Amino acid sequence: GDSVTQTEGPVTLSEGTSLTVNCSYETKQYPTLFWYVQYPGEGPQLLFKVPKANEKGSNRGFEATYNKEATSFHLQKASVQESDSAVYYCALSDGNYNQGKLIFGQGTKLSIKP
Amino acid sequence: GPKVLQIPSHQIIDMGQMVTLNCDPVSNHLYFYWYKQILGQQMEFLVNFYNGKVMEKSKLFKDQFSVERPDGSYFTLKIQPTALEDSAVYFCASSFWGGFAEQFFGPGTRLTVL
Repeated sequence: GDSVTQTEGPVTLSEGTSLTVNCSYETKQYPTLFWYVQYPGEGPQLLFKVPKANEKGSNRGFEATYNKEATSFHLQKASVQESDSAVYYCALSDGNYNQGKLIFGQGTKLSIKP
Repeated sequence: GPKVLQIPSHQIIDMGQMVTLNCDPVSNHLYFYWYKQILGQQMEFLVNFYNGKVMEKSKLFKDQFSVERPDGSYFTLKIQPTALEDSAVYFCASSFWGGFAEQFFGPGTRLTVL
């Protein structure tokens, strides 16, 4: 079945450094790929999504490219801020248009030191 | 942004009893979902619901589970009877349409079965 694997956490970085959270996926379908972010006490919220291979998504300085050949969707940010501390989830939705089921990775907890 | 509410935030219950988890989805949304996250593990899809019917359910959605949304009120997940392995955080989500649409998540209900 479909699966998503991402960087094991927790990850601790200093403010101003760069971030990469790896995400790899397996599916036989043609998925849309998502990054969700979860802050303490809240549910996950969409950071951005990319429906098509070889396209890039971005929001709030975060970006990721849908690499179909490598089956990857790594999250990157050039310079992290303390407010970026959260749990980040990579997810996919398969090609079944009406269902909307999301398959999540295990989440990567990110802590940014000032 | 749009908010999904979940009631209660925490529920403690004895094994074998019935529990109902309540979700107040975004008002104009048509698709509803439940996900389960055991502590330290991935968030996993349980079920989705549209037009009064279950569209898809996972193997985690045991026979003891049921969902409904009577007449636009709460979208509920009922577990009867509960088992120890049902202890988890349950997230409700909603979206305006299915497929690859953004899902809006509630903050979760932490269920503890003793």
